[in-house]
Amino acid sequence: DAKTTQPTSMDCAEGRAANLPCNHSTISGNEYVYWYRQIHSQGPQYIIHGLKNNETNEMASLIITEDRKSSTLILPHATLRDTAVYYCMTPGGTSYGKLTFGQGTILTVHP
Amino acid sequence: GAVVSQHPSWVICKSGTSVKIECRSLDFQATTMFWYRQFPKQSLMLMATSNEGSKATYEQGVEKDKFLINHASLTLSTLTVTSAHPEDSSFYICSASAAGDGETQYFGPGTRLLVL
Repeated sequence: DAKTTQPTSMDCAEGRAANLPCNHSTISGNEYVYWYRQIHSQGPQYIIHGLKNNETNEMASLIITEDRKSSTLILPHATLRDTAVYYCMTPGGTSYGKLTFGQGTILTVHP
Repeated sequence: GAVVSQHPSWVICKSGTSVKIECRSLDFQATTMFWYRQFPKQSLMLMATSNEGSKATYEQGVEKDKFLINHASLTLSTLTVTSAHPEDSSFYICSASAAGDGETQYFGPGTRLLVL
């Protein structure tokens, strides 16, 4: 799995879009980008994943650059309940199926 | 869909006793289940990977004789912490992935273990 780099923390105002970046410059061609989040004292929650095309679901949008070296998770209208630690991971390659949780980005949504 | 449950949600036990944690996939068949551990203010650490009907694969540094994993069916995996000690106190989280769903893992709510 490719190493990922995320900012340690970010703030966002309630109702505004939260854009969380992730760098994965060593990603290989068949590795997906996965995003999860963990709200305090809960198990992680799957958000979205993608390979090369942009993806959208009911929770978020995932924008992957054309060279696939970075991606951005977008929460279009952040709420206080979106305050969590967000993890960007690439579980493919020799670590197929395994998720390696780094430190993630602590997103704080404030009123 | 893709709901994973864990039982119990929290447990307090005396040092030296064994504790069993159950992980169930409620609405799908889990070909693979994973067990993680999370200490306060740290990220999740993978302990082991289990496939239904076969022995679990443990990560480096995780004692297989201390953390017994059984994945006897496509909807149930159990983790038994044998002879628990205070340093085993942690947040234990399982996840499950389904055949045909790529690498997506669905996580349980976690079990908080406190060993006195």
